[in-house]
Amino acid sequence: EDQVTQSPEALRLQEGESSSLNCSYTVSGLRGLFWYRQDPGKGPEFLFTLYSAGEEKEKERLKATLTKKESFLHITAPKPEDSATYLCAVGSNNNAGNMLTFGGGTRLMVKP
Amino acid sequence: KAGVTQTPRYLIKTRGQQVTLSCSPISGHRSVSWYQQTPGQGLQFLFEYFSETQRNKGNFPGRFSGRQFSNSRSEMNVSTLELGDSALYLCASSLYAGSGETQYFGPGTRLLVL
Repeated sequence: EDQVTQSPEALRLQEGESSSLNCSYTVSGLRGLFWYRQDPGKGPEFLFTLYSAGEEKEKERLKATLTKKESFLHITAPKPEDSATYLCAVGSNNNAGNMLTFGGGTRLMVKP
Repeated sequence: KAGVTQTPRYLIKTRGQQVTLSCSPISGHRSVSWYQQTPGQGLQFLFEYFSETQRNKGNFPGRFSGRQFSNSRSEMNVSTLELGDSALYLCASSLYAGSGETQYFGPGTRLLVL
């Protein structure tokens, strides 16, 4: 059974204070690791897909990296508008079709 | 390109009733997945449809069912509603079926069961 654990559960940062969110996973045959951002009352917004260890992707102040056991979402010089819940999910060979297993999320609050 | 749309956005039902939720995928996407999101359990997979066939089902009771139409639009139905079914129901679409495919989520339907 696939397992995804995200830490910390909540993170408070001052504007401009860089940090990293962690996503640890246990899967049998990783097919893809996905990062999403979710604002309150809305659906998850796609950020990145990573497929293999060593892969990195960037978008504005966000950078996602992947190893064989975990992924990091690095946030550089965050702004208050980066405040949201960040979700990590995996797709694996364990499951047919598109089933994703999600972690519990990290709730990020950036104060001005 | 329009995103995933879900209707209705909000719904209030009473225990024992049934409900049908609708999802229209991104144009050209053929796979539709449904998820339930609650504060206690997080996001949990319900089922997935591709080319009108259910390919995978999560660990939910038979009261939860779904279907997909030839235009890739999908519906999910929950019969005999229970208080614990109160949740945000999310639909996601992808171009193809496969656990490496990126899924794009809709805004969700907020269901409250009284």
